[in-house]
Amino acid sequence: DGGITQSPKYLFRKEGQNVTLSCEQNLNHDAMYWYRQDPGQGLRLIYYSQIVNDFQKGDIAEGYSVSREKKESFPLTVTSAQKNPTAFYLCASSTSTGGGREEQFFGPGTRLTVL
Amino acid sequence: AQTVTQSQPEMSVQEAETVTLSCTYDTSESDYYLFWYKQPPSRQMILVIRQEAYKQQNATENRFSVNFQKAAKSFSLKISDSQLGDAAMYFCAYRRTQGGSEKLVFGKGTKLTVNP
Repeated sequence: DGGITQSPKYLFRKEGQNVTLSCEQNLNHDAMYWYRQDPGQGLRLIYYSQIVNDFQKGDIAEGYSVSREKKESFPLTVTSAQKNPTAFYLCASSTSTGGGREEQFFGPGTRLTVL
Repeated sequence: AQTVTQSQPEMSVQEAETVTLSCTYDTSESDYYLFWYKQPPSRQMILVIRQEAYKQQNATENRFSVNFQKAAKSFSLKISDSQLGDAAMYFCAYRRTQGGSEKLVFGKGTKLTVNP
């Protein structure tokens, strides 16, 4: 079945440690996205990538980093510079025809808790 | 910058009744797309319905329909014959058509409770 995989579902880390969240898709989508969701907030865009080896900052990129070495994979690293990393993280992907109509498909999410 | 506002943090409806969720947005663009996403307790985001701004006809998907008022920048979601499985967070989202950023701008969501 085609879809988006995020692992792990729950992640616990000590304060000051970097942590990498995995996102893999087999939908053959060009574009991939990372969102952060906090209680009472909508989804906020962290980073997005429209093509391999290229990515752009979203609205809340500080303290995060990404890479896009393969079309299928878009890992997100939460660095120690992120002041409040505890949140629910959602990865998404879409085709990228430039029209804006494309549906973004979402993964199941990773709940990160920093202790 | 575009913003999306959902003024109802929580709504409730009786099973089989109809409920309308509100959404307003702010943009200077003339062409764009609007979406409603559903996030059930599993937290999996699911697209419910989308509307192209250049289309005057309101989008409909089975029991879900929208009331798109472009001049008022309003995009409400109507759920008819509500079912227990409709209980979820609902997010309204905006996306510009072209010009670089392909990002979705989300509202803060409305939590819908369906009472049996």
